[in-house]
Amino acid sequence: DAGVTQSPTHLIKTRGQQVTLRCSPKSGHDTVSWYQQALGQGPQFIFQYYEEEERQRGNFPDRFSGHQFPNYSSELNVNALLLGDSALYLCASSWYNEQFFGPGTRLTVL
Amino acid sequence: AQKITQTQPGMFVQEKEAVTLDCTYDTSDQSYGLFWYKQPSSGEMIFLIYQGSYDEQNATEGRYSLNFQKARKSANLVISASQLGDSAMYFCAMRENAGGTSYGKLTFGQGTILTVHP
Repeated sequence: DAGVTQSPTHLIKTRGQQVTLRCSPKSGHDTVSWYQQALGQGPQFIFQYYEEEERQRGNFPDRFSGHQFPNYSSELNVNALLLGDSALYLCASSWYNEQFFGPGTRLTVL
Repeated sequence: AQKITQTQPGMFVQEKEAVTLDCTYDTSDQSYGLFWYKQPSSGEMIFLIYQGSYDEQNATEGRYSLNFQKARKSANLVISASQLGDSAMYFCAMRENAGGTSYGKLTFGQGTILTVHP
């Protein structure tokens, strides 16, 4: 049984560009959350998707948007990239009290 | 608002010894869940153990146990018989509304770097 998968593993973009990150949840999990982790910090919650709707959002600007598909997979989109968006982006899938993370996508903005 | 505090930026332990990583939390909610994750240098966040606020027994998973003291709002992770592969960053996290639902964000502490010496 595959766990949470994310793609791509690494990504390099320049300021002002747009990026899309992808996540496939663990089998049986219906909820997907996205987190941003800056170097040396704990992850910060971006938003959570359930039944294709955003049901909770953290303190992130509207440049950060997402989507969940009928198969529960999810995308994170970031527009107008800033240098400060450079971070590890983690996807977590959950079902009841289980919450597992994917390997992350490391985004570098130049 | 939820808050997690990990006061130990770094900890050192000898191989085969036990180590305790501290975590205190603050919440006004009665129903919540506490999680511990391990993050090696590769970056993946590995789930270790979960404790619900209404669980009467302390959670255990193999060499990991959670010392849950609700009145003191602490949820310390105990790793027994440390191994070299345990060297990593460890995060304590909390989620409110833990009553059998996936709803709710995780709030993380700043983490503790554990180094296991041979």
